Amino acid sequence: AQSVTQLDSQVPVFEEAPVELRCNYSSSVSVYLFWYVQYPNQGLQLLLKYLSGSTLVKGINGFEAEFNKSQTSFHLRKPSVHISDTAEYFCAVSFSGNTPLVFGKGTRLSVIA
Amino acid sequence: DAGVIQSPRHEVTEMGQEVTLRCKPISGHDYLFWYRQTMMRGLELLIYFNNNVPIDDSGMPEDRFSAKMPNASFSTLKIQPSEPRDSAVYFCASSLEERWQGQGEKLFFGSGTQLSVL
Repeated sequence: AQSVTQLDSQVPVFEEAPVELRCNYSSSVSVYLFWYVQYPNQGLQLLLKYLSGSTLVKGINGFEAEFNKSQTSFHLRKPSVHISDTAEYFCAVSFSGNTPLVFGKGTRLSVIA
Repeated sequence: DAGVIQSPRHEVTEMGQEVTLRCKPISGHDYLFWYRQTMMRGLELLIYFNNNVPIDDSGMPEDRFSAKMPNASFSTLKIQPSEPRDSAVYFCASSLEERWQGQGEKLFFGSGTQLSVL
């Protein structure tokens, strides 16, 4: 079955520390991968995407993610977080480009001063 | 463009009442999606439209839920009768992209409607 799993529901981290938010998927077909961010009381915004090419993709606000096909993962990273990064982060997958996006349950990142 | 506009931002109602959520997509976008966000299930796709026609409503939880898109600039999601377990944030999103892999990068969300059914 095709699915998306975000392993951590909440991640607290101190300001200026690095962070990794994990995302794994289950699929037997090719995938297109996305990370979205949701700030409080707002809708989701695209953070970055992997469609093809280089497996390391860079997004807005200093975030990056690496597509690892053998591990079926697309973890999101930032080397140094800011208070303003406090938000909920969603991993999303389109399976073979033939299906609507499937979202993970989200990871709430809390940056502590 | 003002983006995807949803109303109301917050809705509090009593069990058994009818609830109508509204959405205005971005002008020119021909795909419209309704999502529901809960702590337990995350973000779920309920239904989507293409050119005002419902394409896939398999995510609609039960017959109490219905969605319409009478024209390209307006859609409603109705719950009748509402139940406490319907409490969630409901998002509308729109897109112009036809290919699903492109949908992800060109999908625009509204700010959501926070529904509380008491």
